[in-house]
Amino acid sequence: GAGVSQSPSNKVTEKGKDVELRCDPISGHTALYWYRQSLGQGLEFLIYFQGNSAPDKSGLPSDRFSAERTGGSVSTLTIQRTQQEDSAVYLCASSLDGSVNSPLHFGNGTRLTVT
Amino acid sequence: QKEVEQDPGPLSVPEGAIVSLNCTYSNSAFQYFMWYRQYSRKGPELLMYTYSSGNKEDGRFTAQVDKSSKYISLFIRDSQPSDSATYLCAVRFYNQGGKLIFGQGTELSVKP
Repeated sequence: GAGVSQSPSNKVTEKGKDVELRCDPISGHTALYWYRQSLGQGLEFLIYFQGNSAPDKSGLPSDRFSAERTGGSVSTLTIQRTQQEDSAVYLCASSLDGSVNSPLHFGNGTRLTVT
Repeated sequence: QKEVEQDPGPLSVPEGAIVSLNCTYSNSAFQYFMWYRQYSRKGPELLMYTYSSGNKEDGRFTAQVDKSSKYISLFIRDSQPSDSATYLCAVRFYNQGGKLIFGQGTELSVKP
């Protein structure tokens, strides 16, 4: 596919369970980003990957959140022991090389609901 | 104080109106400015991108940056119902790739 692909598109989980969200970036894009969008809110930055390294993980809200990227491609965002306040849309984006002139291209997100 | 402030609206206008969307930012180190459009249940898509003060036009859209007052605007001429979406401004540090910092987004509705 030509765009950023995220799966699942929707996820409902019980409080306390762990969830994994997946992102497939645009082929050839070395930079990958995770954002969170709560109802009626803007995009909250979570983490940025350049290749398989994460030079900026300053937005991860707690140690329950972690992310990895393998092979310079697919990334997984993991939330352990989910809480109701984790309910949000989790958006992934990629850019060609992460430079200032390199725009972000977003997927359609994973809508997470914690019951 | 948030790094980027944007009036969340909602903003409702009749078809054909000129729309003005605005953001302010707090840090003069932000040097790159973008506008994204987000339709319901979709990811944001890039509309406009600029790094200099002044105006940049693309069809019916004009992005304006005033670095002296830390103010960025998006103007939409001859607005159409298909322009109904949430518009997000975003900023980036000079000479530093990586993350964009977004405003809250303004929800726009264009009525036929």
